[in-house]
Amino acid sequence: GAVVSQHPSRVICKSGTSVKIECRSLDFQATTMFWYRQFPKQSLMLMATSNEGSKATYEQGVEKDKFLINHASLTLSTLTVTSAHPEDSSFYICSARAPTGQGRETQYFGPGTRLLVL
Amino acid sequence: SQQGEEDPQALSIQEGENATMNCSYKTSINNLQWYRQNSGRGLVHLILIRSNEREKHSGRLRVTLDTSKKSSSLLITASRAADTASYFCATDLLSQKLVFGTGTRLLVSP
Repeated sequence: GAVVSQHPSRVICKSGTSVKIECRSLDFQATTMFWYRQFPKQSLMLMATSNEGSKATYEQGVEKDKFLINHASLTLSTLTVTSAHPEDSSFYICSARAPTGQGRETQYFGPGTRLLVL
Repeated sequence: SQQGEEDPQALSIQEGENATMNCSYKTSINNLQWYRQNSGRGLVHLILIRSNEREKHSGRLRVTLDTSKKSSSLLITASRAADTASYFCATDLLSQKLVFGTGTRLLVSP
């Protein structure tokens, strides 16, 4: 099946710094990727939809200036957490929709990035 | 919030027993999907059931969907210790966004 990777898998940073997380579709092109956040023992909450070549669409309550999303190519989307604070510590997961066809309904998820802001 | 709810929140069973998890959602959907997540890891897609389907099987998994009640269930038969994980339903909305349920933590003891 389709593979999605994320980098880094884990990051620890100081409060006030910015952190960039990459999401790559390794063996297919993804015009649409999604970014989720998951707090401990909770479900995934959609943050934004990343569209290749255009602006991301953010969910209500998600600050677009704090969580910058760039989808510069059909295989790469990046999420930058700007001026990170301890409350931004979370598990960030990206996903990409399968290529066109019947399997398009399936989203393939990356392994996640655990962010800890000190 | 559009988020679906799952019950039970946690389920503890013995190997060999069946595990049933239920999911309720709020809006019209294209399809409903079930995912599995091992602790601190990414999600694994288990099964997808479309809005015009009522039941689907995949190996030891059986999923039902009742669109009139906006609910779905996941049955894992003959459970194994390796099935221990969190299970999430996710509804694929008409807007093509996935909305996840609250999840069920399953513990299967040897």
